[in-house]
Amino acid sequence: NAGVTQTPKFQVLKTGQSMTLQCAQDMNHEYMSWYRQDPGMGLRLIHYSVGAGITDQGEVPNGYNVSRSTTEDFPLRLLSAAPSQTSVYFCASSRGTGGDHEQYFGPGTRLTVT
Amino acid sequence: GNSVTQMEGPVTLSEEAFLTINCTYTATGYPSLFWYVQYPGEGLQLLLKATKADDKGSNKGFEATYRKETTSFHLEKGSVQVSDSAVYFCALRPNAGGTSYGKLTFGQGTILTVHP
Repeated sequence: NAGVTQTPKFQVLKTGQSMTLQCAQDMNHEYMSWYRQDPGMGLRLIHYSVGAGITDQGEVPNGYNVSRSTTEDFPLRLLSAAPSQTSVYFCASSRGTGGDHEQYFGPGTRLTVT
Repeated sequence: GNSVTQMEGPVTLSEEAFLTINCTYTATGYPSLFWYVQYPGEGLQLLLKATKADDKGSNKGFEATYRKETTSFHLEKGSVQVSDSAVYFCALRPNAGGTSYGKLTFGQGTILTVHP
């Protein structure tokens, strides 16, 4: 198993550009989440999904869109990048009901918006 | 809402010293509690967890006990090694069922540096 994979590892964008951060998992997990990590603030939940076709907002959803068309993939879209979105982004997945619900994290994408 | 507060860092210790990183939480009901570790340049890995009051989670010499009366989940290790240098995050997950299983609330993280 590759676990949770994220691409790209690094990205630099100009203000106003759009891009998609990719996340995939091969563990057949129902739940997937996106977090951003900023110095001194820990990780904050952006969006999450409890299954294909079902998504919901987390703590800091503004400026980000998600969709979940398959169990494996959960891309995060930045529609118009802003410097405030400079951060490290982590994708995570976990089993739903019936499992121990441990969240498994990807290696992260470091995004810089200039 | 739910929140997690960790002791201010960074923490610098000599090898074989005793480690305590404090963590307190605010939540309704009975959340599950976690400690995650992040090594330089990597994602987060689960270090240990506790799912009910008085449970003790342990792994790799680290321990933490779920204290409902003090709403705390302090991380301890009796003798740290240089290889323990990392960022440690305390986190909680509500146990309200359903979609709550996908949401973790994290503390701000504590940077630990261990010198030889």
